[in-house]
Amino acid sequence: KAGVTQTPRYLIKTRGQQVTLSCSPISGHRSVSWYQQTPGQGLQFLFEYFSETQRNKGNFPGRFSGRQFSNSRSEMNVSTLELGDSALYLCASSLSKGANLYGYTFGSGTRLTVV
Amino acid sequence: SQQGEEDPQALSIQEGENATMNCSYKTSINNLQWYRQNSGRGLVHLILIRSNEREKHSGRLRVTLDTSKKSSSLLITASRAADTASYFCATDITSGSRLTFGEGTQLTVNP
Repeated sequence: KAGVTQTPRYLIKTRGQQVTLSCSPISGHRSVSWYQQTPGQGLQFLFEYFSETQRNKGNFPGRFSGRQFSNSRSEMNVSTLELGDSALYLCASSLSKGANLYGYTFGSGTRLTVV
Repeated sequence: SQQGEEDPQALSIQEGENATMNCSYKTSINNLQWYRQNSGRGLVHLILIRSNEREKHSGRLRVTLDTSKKSSSLLITASRAADTASYFCATDITSGSRLTFGEGTQLTVNP
């Protein structure tokens, strides 16, 4: 079965612009979580959606937002991009809320570079 | 701040040797998980151990959990060059909560 699909794979944006990243979870998975990975901060939790509702939110400014659609696909948006937003953005899906039963299945990530 | 801390930060061994990575965490947990990440790619789930379990095996992987010391270890036996990757522990504080990742151990297995 298909894995978690993230698009685009690579993205270069200019400071001040906005960006939308997309994630399609494994079929049947209703939970989608987003993480930001940088060399300095490691893996930081952004938010989790389950059945179109945001369950948890990490400690990120309001410029970071997300949503989940009825087919469980999720998007995250970053507005007014800053250089520090350059990172690998990872999407993870799971059958249940959080990852307590079987763990997460991650996508390959979107590498965002802000110049 | 990170819930888990891996030790060592980097480990370099020869093919065929065993690799041991350790993880310490701060608060009580529901479960602890280990993930592998190949350079710049997504993470791959390796194994999940619940707070009431002490040891778990999966192929060449062996994970132990000591809740009294708030620590876990991942042992990879008979390592291969393909095991070269970063390994992360992640904790789930309560059932259904977010996973919090440690900083990872970079393992290099030399042919």
